[in-house]
Amino acid sequence: NAGVTQTPKFRVLKTGQSMTLLCAQDMNHEYMYWYRQDPGMGLRLIHYSVGEGTTAKGEVPDGYNVSRLKKQNFLLGLESAAPSQTSVYFCASNNRPDGYTFGSGTRLTVV
Amino acid sequence: AQSVTQLGSHVSVSEGALVLLRCNYSSSVPPYLFWYVQYPNQGLQLLLKYTSAATLVKGINGFEAEFKKSETSFHLTKPSAHMSDAAEYFCAVSGMEYGNKLVFGAGTILRVKS
Repeated sequence: NAGVTQTPKFRVLKTGQSMTLLCAQDMNHEYMYWYRQDPGMGLRLIHYSVGEGTTAKGEVPDGYNVSRLKKQNFLLGLESAAPSQTSVYFCASNNRPDGYTFGSGTRLTVV
Repeated sequence: AQSVTQLGSHVSVSEGALVLLRCNYSSSVPPYLFWYVQYPNQGLQLLLKYTSAATLVKGINGFEAEFKKSETSFHLTKPSAHMSDAAEYFCAVSGMEYGNKLVFGAGTILRVKS
């Protein structure tokens, strides 16, 4: 019973490098979300998806792209990483607004 | 935009004292309300949630929260703090007026003094 799995758990990038964070859920959830967590700012929504093949911008989408080619996977891409993207990234999924399942997070450092 | 406000970025209590963490939301329709806890270098753990049933919600680890529509509040309390309660706590809201997305407050760091 895996729930929501995020890979990798840790990553260090150099400025300008690209990478993709993977979120996989095995609960057949329609909705998936990517958040970033920064000190004193809570979790802020980057992008989200309301179903396979759909994506939408959240509160802080600049510098990120996403794809939802398969229902169970939601990918977050950084095309050209910047130090301002140093953060902890959380993926979440749900079917109803009264319950969300979170992944364990990815700690990304951009140097 | 609809928002969630947590009053106090840092709260300090003595062991055994009452814990009160404040959360206010902006919504004309009662939303779904959540409290999460995050221990250092860990993920989010759901403490409790309000989903329009009883207004007093009991959660894990002795925490509870009361939904007050007239005050648009959902404050988290615990009668007696333990050292193990030291963590960061997040209030979050979802529902129609939030686009059915989960919106978080900025968080409150709870310190428990011995």
